[in-house]
Amino acid sequence: NAGVTQTPKFQVLKTGQSMTLQCAQDMNHEYMSWYRQDPGMGLRLIHYSVGAGITDQGEVPNGYNVSRSTTEDFPLRLLSAAPSQTSVYFCASSYLSPLDEQFFGPGTRLTVL
Amino acid sequence: AQKVTQAQTEISVVEKEDVTLDCVYETRDTTYYLFWYKQPPSGELVFLIRRNSFDEQNEISGRYSWNFQKSTSSFNFTITASQVVDSAVYFCALRDPTNFGNEKLTFGTGTRLTIIP
Repeated sequence: NAGVTQTPKFQVLKTGQSMTLQCAQDMNHEYMSWYRQDPGMGLRLIHYSVGAGITDQGEVPNGYNVSRSTTEDFPLRLLSAAPSQTSVYFCASSYLSPLDEQFFGPGTRLTVL
Repeated sequence: AQKVTQAQTEISVVEKEDVTLDCVYETRDTTYYLFWYKQPPSGELVFLIRRNSFDEQNEISGRYSWNFQKSTSSFNFTITASQVVDSAVYFCALRDPTNFGNEKLTFGTGTRLTIIP
């Protein structure tokens, strides 16, 4: 049981490049979410999904896309990277909603030059 | 709007001392949920506790205890006899029920706790 896995762990991009952060969970959780963590700002919700085929925006969705084609996977796409997207990104999952215990991945540290 | 305030940015205490981390929340909802998560140096956040607004009983789990007071909108976290392994960033969070069925959490900015051996 791997829990929540994220790849890559570190990434450096140039402004304007695109990339996808991968997130997978093997706990058959319905709820998955992406957060970004910035100094002094805590965790902010980017996008979330309450089940396969269903996604919605969080607090800071601009510049990011998500899809949920399977229960297990919830990739986060940066369309055109900007320095303001330099951050640590966490994926999390929980059984049905964030009212349940959320399990977090190890994070992806992204730097945009 | 929902808001969670953790006014203590950083706290340092000597091992074996007790320490309390403050969390103050704002909500207009009568039903709400509060959480604490721990982020150790490894980075992955770990769930500690969930408390709903109807249950004001204090919770104790080993050296950890939580004091929920609706009158002051606070949900404080106390570590008794602190240990070096308690060093981490601690986040308080509030369920944001803006859209029923679309549950979201609002996190505070976190308190970095350092236990000095």
